[in-house]
Amino acid sequence: EAGVAQSPRYKIIEKRQSVAFWCNPISGHATLYWYQQILGQGPKLLIQFQNNGVVDDSQLPKDRFSAERLKGVDSTLKIQPAKLEDSAVYLCASSLSGEETQYFGPGTRLLVL
Amino acid sequence: GDSVTQMEGPVTLSEEAFLTINCTYTATGYPSLFWYVQYPGEGLQLLLKATKADDKGSNKGFEATYRKETTSFHLEKGSVQVSDSAVYFCALMPGSARQLTFGSGTQLTVLP
Repeated sequence: EAGVAQSPRYKIIEKRQSVAFWCNPISGHATLYWYQQILGQGPKLLIQFQNNGVVDDSQLPKDRFSAERLKGVDSTLKIQPAKLEDSAVYLCASSLSGEETQYFGPGTRLLVL
Repeated sequence: GDSVTQMEGPVTLSEEAFLTINCTYTATGYPSLFWYVQYPGEGLQLLLKATKADDKGSNKGFEATYRKETTSFHLEKGSVQVSDSAVYFCALMPGSARQLTFGSGTQLTVLP
């Protein structure tokens, strides 16, 4: 069974530029999560989708971050414009609807200069 | 709000040593508790979990017991191997939200 796929794996941008991350969850997983993991900290939830609807985006900085999951499968997370403090690893995870176990992708490491 | 406090690292052990990584939590109700592991260059993987008080989760020689009276979920392994070198994260999930709250992680290095 294929795992959660993410791309790109690494991205370096300058502050005020835009960047987008892509996630393809495990087939059949209705629930999708985006986490931000700053160096030395645990992952922090940014947004949770159930199919193509948002369940919780209370931790998403909506002035600069946006996310979508248009067809209930793949998802993109965008930052526009990026700030230095956005440097982090962005993790995507998925799970079967109602299940506790989340499966994580390898992450995208973002460096903002 | 909910929170998880983990033993600070890094932790360095010799092969075959006993491992304990402390984890305590603050939550309302009865959360499920998890240990996730992140090997170098890989994504987070579920190591073990426990869903109610006094449950013991176990996997790959690792164990953790859900202690509601001390709000703890300490990770233990009797004899670590070099291949156990990784970052370990304790996490909780409230009863209904299906959202994980993570601790800050503990880096473990096992030397041959």
